[in-house]
Amino acid sequence: EAGVAQSPRYKIIEKRQSVAFWCNPISGHATLYWYQQILGQGPKLLIQFQNNGVVDDSQLPKDRFSAERLKGVDSTLKIQPAKLEDSAVYLCASSLEGGGLPGEKLFFGSGTQLSVL
Amino acid sequence: AQKVTQAQTEISVVEKEDVTLDCVYETRDTTYYLFWYKQPPSGELVFLIRRNSFDEQNEISGRYSWNFQKSTSSFNFTITASQVVDSAVYFCALEWYGTNRDDKIIFGKGTRLHILP
Repeated sequence: EAGVAQSPRYKIIEKRQSVAFWCNPISGHATLYWYQQILGQGPKLLIQFQNNGVVDDSQLPKDRFSAERLKGVDSTLKIQPAKLEDSAVYLCASSLEGGGLPGEKLFFGSGTQLSVL
Repeated sequence: AQKVTQAQTEISVVEKEDVTLDCVYETRDTTYYLFWYKQPPSGELVFLIRRNSFDEQNEISGRYSWNFQKSTSSFNFTITASQVVDSAVYFCALEWYGTNRDDKIIFGKGTRLHILP
């Protein structure tokens, strides 16, 4: 079974530039998550999709971050403009159900490591 | 408020020693799930175990064992006869129902485990 695919693996940009990350979840997984993991911290949820609808985006800095999941499959996360404090690993995860059915285990991608200079 | 505390930031042990990773959680909900995930150097978090709040039975899986105690709000993880391949960052996570009956997950800050040959 193919895992969660993310690209790019690394990205270096200057502050105020824009950047986009892509995620393709495990086939058939209804729920997709974007997490931000700052060095030395645990993952923090940015946004959760159930199919192509947003379930939770309460921690997404909406003035600069946006995400979409067209057709309920793959997803993109965009930052525009980037700030120094956005330097982190951005992890994508998926689960079979989620969105109201707690206890589902998450399957994570390897993440995109973003450095904002 | 919901909280997960992993007080051990970093642990180093010599191979074949036993090691216990501590996790203390806070929640007012009676229904919740606890998880452990492993993050090897490759970056993706790998699911290890989940426990619901009504199941305090301890679990053993090979060299891994988990001790769930509601009385102390702890969900500790023990590796017996540690191996170099166990070197990773380990995260404890708490999941509960949000106010809109959607599930919420928070992660601890993680414990970096070094197994020395």
